[in-house]
Amino acid sequence: QSALTQPASVSGSLGQSITISCTGSSNDVGGYNYVSWHQQHPGKAPKLIISGVSNRPSGVSNRFSGSKSGNTASLTISGLQAEDEADYYCNSFTSSHKVVFGGGTKLTVL
Amino acid sequence: EVQLVESGGGSVQPGGSLRLSCAASGFSFSDHWMHWVRQGPGEGLVWVSRITTEGNGKDYAEFVKGRFTMSRDNAKNIVYLQLNGLRVDDTAVYYCTRSITYGSGDFDYWGQGTLVTVSS
Repeated sequence: QSALTQPASVSGSLGQSITISCTGSSNDVGGYNYVSWHQQHPGKAPKLIISGVSNRPSGVSNRFSGSKSGNTASLTISGLQAEDEADYYCNSFTSSHKVVFGGGTKLTVL
Repeated sequence: EVQLVESGGGSVQPGGSLRLSCAASGFSFSDHWMHWVRQGPGEGLVWVSRITTEGNGKDYAEFVKGRFTMSRDNAKNIVYLQLNGLRVDDTAVYYCTRSITYGSGDFDYWGQGTLVTVSS
């Protein structure tokens, strides 16, 4: 099972919006509405920010939103804040009943 | 308060073994599928394994290839990961986590991680 494809890095200015893509196949992202996104700050455990493609857990800012089209899922962060600077990982349930992560995207807030 | 506390990491030579433990508290442990996720130094998150609520269903990443075994003790609220035949590229922080939706990757709580170092 190959890792999902994410851009290695993205950047945006304070207050702007950015989108991180996560591309898989019909055996994972495209086949199921079980795409999640996690945020990870350096030295910290990951934090769930989106589940089930577009659901925000309680306590997660509504500046984070998720969507999916075909085999590609997307995470959008609006109104960028300094504390959003972190690594972001998508993952998906797969047809072989496993979970596969993307390679991660480093977000830099300018 | 939900807590997941891993232990058992350490340094081992190639071919060696370790048993990782994850003690859970603050939630109904037997209602959740549990997973292990690892992260090599400077690398991304990689899913390792998962176990069903009763412990009778397990799945592993392809790279495990029969070397790792996951188990759970619902009476003690502990999940285990037995690591055998360790290789240098197994060096990583191993996180214990639970999923909200059975086998999916919606991991809402994570432990602090336990470091496994494989080196000669």
